Amino acid sequence: EVQLVESGGGLVQPGGSLRLSCAASGFSFSSYAMHWVRQAPGKGLEYVSAISSNGGSTYYANSVKGRFTISRDNSKNTLYLQMGSLRAEDMAVYYCAREDPAPWAFDIWGQGTMVTVSS
Amino acid sequence: QSVLTQPPSVSGAPGQRVTISCTGSSSNIGAGYDVHWYQQLPGTAPKLLIYGNSNRPSGVPDRFSGSKSGTSASLAITGLQAEDEADYCCQSYDSSLSGSVFGGGTKLTVL
Repeated sequence: EVQLVESGGGLVQPGGSLRLSCAASGFSFSSYAMHWVRQAPGKGLEYVSAISSNGGSTYYANSVKGRFTISRDNSKNTLYLQMGSLRAEDMAVYYCAREDPAPWAFDIWGQGTMVTVSS
Repeated sequence: QSVLTQPPSVSGAPGQRVTISCTGSSSNIGAGYDVHWYQQLPGTAPKLLIYGNSNRPSGVPDRFSGSKSGTSASLAITGLQAEDEADYCCQSYDSSLSGSVFGGGTKLTVL
């Protein structure tokens, strides 16, 4: 079964750090660009970050640039999002997603992991 | 304020046809970039509904269709069913941001 499973979410204080993981299974992970998308409670989807299939290219939304780092370990079939200097506005459910079958289209999504930023 | 603009809500009776608009600009939809649509049921992850403006992934009923013209795109749902009640969101690429952008989402209510 093609699947993405996120983990690593939780409660963190403002200014703190957290690392999210996304474990892929059922497909050739190293062949696909991967993305992170977030959704604040009661709000719409917000694009966060992208990484190419080999990890050589990355993209960040302006709202997280300089604070978040996307990476991947193709030997472990795992995508990561290192989040730092967290703010209240970063509080959201974070989804990882696979890019396919068209550029910037996301056909497989994880179940999401909640990040709560609060003192 | 989302880069792509959608109506906050639409509604329709079972069996009817509804459309959801997605309005962009010359740096995204108007620049020729593809539009994708997602359906999100309450408490679940988004599901790809339409990709490349008008293509349906395997398993998506042909009651769902997409189109694009100029700086806008539309999602049409015919033969409305109770199970279609969900949030629908459009997505495209924006050259000025050099990344993906989403619409604010539209809540579909089946009356």
